[in-house]
Amino acid sequence: GQQLNQSPQSMFIQEGEDVSMNCTSSSIFNTWLWYKQDPGEGPVLLIALYKAGELTSNGRLTAQFGITRKDSFLNISASIPSDVGIYFCAGQPTGANSKLTFGKGITLSVRP
Amino acid sequence: ETGVTQSPTHLIKTRGQQVTLRCSSQSGHNTVSWYQQALGQGPQFIFQYYREEENGRGNFPPRFSGLQFPNYSSELNVNALELDDSALYLCASSSSGQETQYFGPGTRLLVL
Repeated sequence: GQQLNQSPQSMFIQEGEDVSMNCTSSSIFNTWLWYKQDPGEGPVLLIALYKAGELTSNGRLTAQFGITRKDSFLNISASIPSDVGIYFCAGQPTGANSKLTFGKGITLSVRP
Repeated sequence: ETGVTQSPTHLIKTRGQQVTLRCSSQSGHNTVSWYQQALGQGPQFIFQYYREEENGRGNFPPRFSGLQFPNYSSELNVNALELDDSALYLCASSSSGQETQYFGPGTRLLVL
């Protein structure tokens, strides 16, 4: 099935550093979401974006909905050990309750 | 507020068997979506249930079926299990008119 493009597959950063992750698609989405998944658990919603160009923050997390509606980025500032996990972007086409299309995820490791 | 719950947490079946997975939606949510997440991949949309009817389906064969009950809880049934059905099965609930989906912890199915 279709997936969004997330790369690289893994990222390794030092505690305290900032990190940015991109997500791109060949299709237009009307909603972009970023989720974090820890081992053995379901994805947890971090940030939801509903409007092209929108920039939204949630604590140390900032995400933007690309103007073309085909991309989004997530930035984590001043990383801490508990930021370790898999970060997924997901796009949702128009209409409430429509399906989510996910990227393959980026595994983030934070060195203390 | 009660979050999304799923049962069982783990399950082992053999090829050809049938399995039923269960999901209770978050309080106030009337829509349930099911996703399959293979190891190292992002979740893939199976189908969605709203008002006890299927409301959208992904690229999965008919042996994947579901139900939604009047209390909005849901079941995922898979017949004639195949080895490739081994995955984490995620349930997400949402409220009609609101796009954001919240995930449960998942059921890990292993088919031998």
